[in-house]
Amino acid sequence: GENVEQHPSTLSVQEGDSAVIKCTYSDSASNYFPWYKQELGKRPQLIIDIRSNVGEKKDQRIAVTLNKTAKHFSLHITETQPEDSAVYFCAASWNTNAGKSTFGDGTTLTVKP
Amino acid sequence: KAGVTQTPRYLIKTRGQQVTLSCSPISGHRSVSWYQQTPGQGLQFLFEYFSETQRNKGNFPGRFSGRQFSNSRSEMNVSTLELGDSALYLCASSLEGHTNYGYTFGSGTRLTVV
Repeated sequence: GENVEQHPSTLSVQEGDSAVIKCTYSDSASNYFPWYKQELGKRPQLIIDIRSNVGEKKDQRIAVTLNKTAKHFSLHITETQPEDSAVYFCAASWNTNAGKSTFGDGTTLTVKP
Repeated sequence: KAGVTQTPRYLIKTRGQQVTLSCSPISGHRSVSWYQQTPGQGLQFLFEYFSETQRNKGNFPGRFSGRQFSNSRSEMNVSTLELGDSALYLCASSLEGHTNYGYTFGSGTRLTVV
């Protein structure tokens, strides 16, 4: 089955710096790659996603890049703010298994003011 | 519109008991997926229901089961509870399945087995 590895497991940055979280996946059939943000004690929330026919997608301070050949995708957060502090999960899924996705183990991002 | 509603929010059960958790998806969403979240194991897929049928199943023992009703509400059941079943159980609602629109998660049910 699909395996998703996420790095780093913890990341600490100064406010205003950039943060990058990377994920690799094993199944070349995967074609949908979302990122979720989970604040302490809250539910995971979808913050950005990318499909396999696109190499990059941006939404204000966050962006996701996808390299299908290397089977990895990354989340980029620029001008980080303390409210960006949370656990971030990447995931991978594919059409033939709609409704099921494999998540990375999460990255705890701490933004220090 | 209303979000994904999970009940109850918290449960404390004794080893050997069984438990039923409930999830009401966003109106119009037909896919409901269940995940177990633990600090050491992250988010583990349990199963997914679509139009009252189990469409996908993860690698959990048969003690974990679920069902979906005609109004798309879903329940999951865990029988013969073990201490290791203590976790946050998250329900995720989507229109057709995760690959199309992503998930909207509920707030979860925190199950503690003592």
